[in-house]
Amino acid sequence: NAGVTQTPKFRVLKTGQSMTLLCAQDMNHEYMYWYRQDPGMGLRLIHYSVGEGTTAKGEVPDGYNVSRLKKQNFLLGLESAAPSQTSVYFCASSYLGPGTQINTEAFFGQGTRLTVV
Amino acid sequence: ILNVEQSPQSLHVQEGDSTNFTCSFPSSNFYALHWYRWETAKSPEALFVMTLNGDEKKKGRISATLNTKEGYSYLYIKGSQPEDSATYLCASLRTASKLTFGTGTRLQVTL
Repeated sequence: NAGVTQTPKFRVLKTGQSMTLLCAQDMNHEYMYWYRQDPGMGLRLIHYSVGEGTTAKGEVPDGYNVSRLKKQNFLLGLESAAPSQTSVYFCASSYLGPGTQINTEAFFGQGTRLTVV
Repeated sequence: ILNVEQSPQSLHVQEGDSTNFTCSFPSSNFYALHWYRWETAKSPEALFVMTLNGDEKKKGRISATLNTKEGYSYLYIKGSQPEDSATYLCASLRTASKLTFGTGTRLQVTL
């Protein structure tokens, strides 16, 4: 059972380049999240998805786009990378607890370290 | 309170000390409060998910309490061990699905 897998683990981009980060989960979870982690800032929510085909903005969505074409995958795209997007990106997933309609704990991927030069 | 706030930012204790951290969160539209443990070079792992006012949860030497009316939660560690060294995150679930994290409390336990 792989859980939540992020691809790639590391990447260096030049300013203006584009890239897509892939998050895949094999737990059949409905909810998926993209966070960025910066020193002193904690985990900040970029975008999230409550199910296949749906996405929503989080706290810091500017400069990012997402897609959830398949339930198990949540893609984070950077169309034109900027140095301010240098960060560690974490994907997470969760599901609704039976009978509670409240999200269970989030399960995290191992992170993607992105550097934009 | 509009955001999730944690205090202290960092803490350095001796092995065997007991310690506690605070998480403050918006009390309106409350769904749940999560606690996570985040070790260096690893991913955050859930400790507790708490939903009811007055909830108390325990896992080994770690326990947590929840006050949803005033918007705070405490995490306690009894008899700290070096392996407890980590960053402890809390997260507030205010609308269905949107999980917002605090900046964490970094705990270092030395011999």
